[in-house]
Amino acid sequence: GENVEQHPSTLSVQEGDSAVIKCTYSDSASNYFPWYKQELGKRPQLIIDIRSNVGEKKDQRIAVTLNKTAKHFSLHITETQPEDSAVYFCAVKRPGGYNKLIFGAGTRLAVHP
Amino acid sequence: ETGVTQSPTHLIKTRGQQVTLRCSSQSGHNTVSWYQQALGQGPQFIFQYYREEENGRGNFPPRFSGLQFPNYSSELNVNALELDDSALYLCASSTTGATNEKLFFGSGTQLSVL
Repeated sequence: GENVEQHPSTLSVQEGDSAVIKCTYSDSASNYFPWYKQELGKRPQLIIDIRSNVGEKKDQRIAVTLNKTAKHFSLHITETQPEDSAVYFCAVKRPGGYNKLIFGAGTRLAVHP
Repeated sequence: ETGVTQSPTHLIKTRGQQVTLRCSSQSGHNTVSWYQQALGQGPQFIFQYYREEENGRGNFPPRFSGLQFPNYSSELNVNALELDDSALYLCASSTTGATNEKLFFGSGTQLSVL
């Protein structure tokens, strides 16, 4: 069945360092791969997404890479700042008429000044 | 443009009771989906509503049901509450256009079942 594994579960970096979070998925038909950021007590917010016809997408300090053959995608955050501290979730979606996202278990990122 | 709003923010119920959670979709969005987020886990898809009908469902029992109204707002109803139903319930809205996969979440309702 559908499964998304996310690693690491926790990540601690110094301000200014880079952070990388990786997700692997099982369903080769998946074609949409978003990343959400959830600060403590707040709503999940979409920070970047990628579709299966694209290998990489960048938005300022955030980038996502997709390897369809290996069925994994990664979130890259460069020049981390304390406000990047949050839980990050990856998700996948199959083609189809409804927006069923399968989420990973999350990565708690802590950026230390 | 208003975002997704949910009510109430917190709720405490006892086992066996019934609960109704409410969601107003973001302006211009006609599709609403509901997710359950247990502590320390990622959100899990419950179901989606479009044109006032359920058009997709995850692995949740029939005691989880919903409604969508003509103004696209939605309700999630849970009957015969169980302790394991304690979680954050998130509503998300989206459009049916080219960017329909982009979900915009509300802040959720934290449900505690005692």
